[in-house]
Amino acid sequence: DQQVKQNSPSLSVQEGRISILNCDYTNSMFDYFLWYKKYPAEGPTFLISISSIKDKNEDGRFTVFLNKSAKHLSLHIVPSQPGDSAVYFCAATKGLNAGNMLTFGGGTRLMVKP
Amino acid sequence: KAGVTQTPRYLIKTRGQQVTLSCSPISGHRSVSWYQQTPGQGLQFLFEYFSETQRNKGNFPGRFSGRQFSNSRSEMNVSTLELGDSALYLCASSLAGAGQAKGYTFGSGTRLTVV
Repeated sequence: DQQVKQNSPSLSVQEGRISILNCDYTNSMFDYFLWYKKYPAEGPTFLISISSIKDKNEDGRFTVFLNKSAKHLSLHIVPSQPGDSAVYFCAATKGLNAGNMLTFGGGTRLMVKP
Repeated sequence: KAGVTQTPRYLIKTRGQQVTLSCSPISGHRSVSWYQQTPGQGLQFLFEYFSETQRNKGNFPGRFSGRQFSNSRSEMNVSTLELGDSALYLCASSLAGAGQAKGYTFGSGTRLTVV
């Protein structure tokens, strides 16, 4: 049973436009959500996170939105750049300060065309 | 500071053999977690060690085991390898756990191929 789902395996966007990556979760115990970016042959790198007490967090070109009632989060990248082309994973965990595991979605491959 | 170091980077093993993978965390990090990445299942949590104790465990068979040493370095072992164990094995370290988002750093992984 997948507790975190990314229903779009891939997304293609023109450079300069907005990229929107979506993620759904089923476990209402999750209270902290993260987005990671992964290039081939490298480990995932942290991008941005959001606590369940917020509905939006922004960091430069990256904004994460959380809709708790819908159990849905999204990552917006504006403007998209060719260097953003990578696989994006959303992840969720229970407890910000505890030593808990991350539950990942299956990933979305983003391709930003010049 | 040095990042999370995983060795070896690539490994080819035969079905039925066993394998040991190594992870050296960032200096000062006491938590080490292991994940398996496969094309079909995505990234799945294997286990987490903190101060030489297994603190969390994912849903993997007993063939998958791990340990952590007093210097926080960790090893994971897979016995009786199956073809389906072919994957990228990722290690992540942090001061305390996954909740420390920015400080939860992944290594580049060990690519294991079972033939």
